[in-house]
Amino acid sequence: DTEVTQTPKHLVMGMTNKKSLKCEQHMGHRAMYWYKQKAKKPPELMFVYSYEKLSINESVPSRFSPECPNSSLLNLHLHALQPEDSALYLCASSQEGKPYNEQFFGPGTRLTVL
Amino acid sequence: KNEVEQSPQNLTAQEGEFITINCSYSVGISALHWLQQHPGGGIVSLFMLSSGKKKHGRLIATINIQEKHSSLHITASHPRDSAVYICAVFIGNQFYFGTGTSLTVIP
Repeated sequence: DTEVTQTPKHLVMGMTNKKSLKCEQHMGHRAMYWYKQKAKKPPELMFVYSYEKLSINESVPSRFSPECPNSSLLNLHLHALQPEDSALYLCASSQEGKPYNEQFFGPGTRLTVL
Repeated sequence: KNEVEQSPQNLTAQEGEFITINCSYSVGISALHWLQQHPGGGIVSLFMLSSGKKKHGRLIATINIQEKHSSLHITASHPRDSAVYICAVFIGNQFYFGTGTSLTVIP
């Protein structure tokens, strides 16, 4: 299994909702990442988990809350989002907990905040 | 100033043409990645390079560490190669992405 899966593919939520994005990989990778991508822009790194511990948090607002319950799963909990948070949210994973190893990306969750 | 500069930003080619996309970076790096993103969002990692040259099918990636420059070449381009190509480098403890090259291959 050489893929990263993400659910849901699309999500529409109001500013008062609480929702979660899910990412899963079964490649034995020990580093997992969340990226945010706005239209026609490159991905922006949000969080990095290495061996299930948060190792990088790129000054992301607290309305985004990551969670890594085990080495295969990565969640992103969303609460009280703003319309400007609408974007494509990409998950990725890599081996050995080293960010410069090849990263495998999921297909993304397209989020719309109303 | 961006740590990673890509050129061109947009590229239109006829099917069959040889295509080159360039990436320059400003500081020493451990590795450089070339990524492909199709409309709809999915990103595929094409290459990870730390030196020399790699080839996969019609795609060739080269890197010159001394000149801090990498190129992605596509031989015999095809409409299905139409996508955004992004180069990314790891500097310090952070990933830096180029702004991407949007490639359209016309039949």
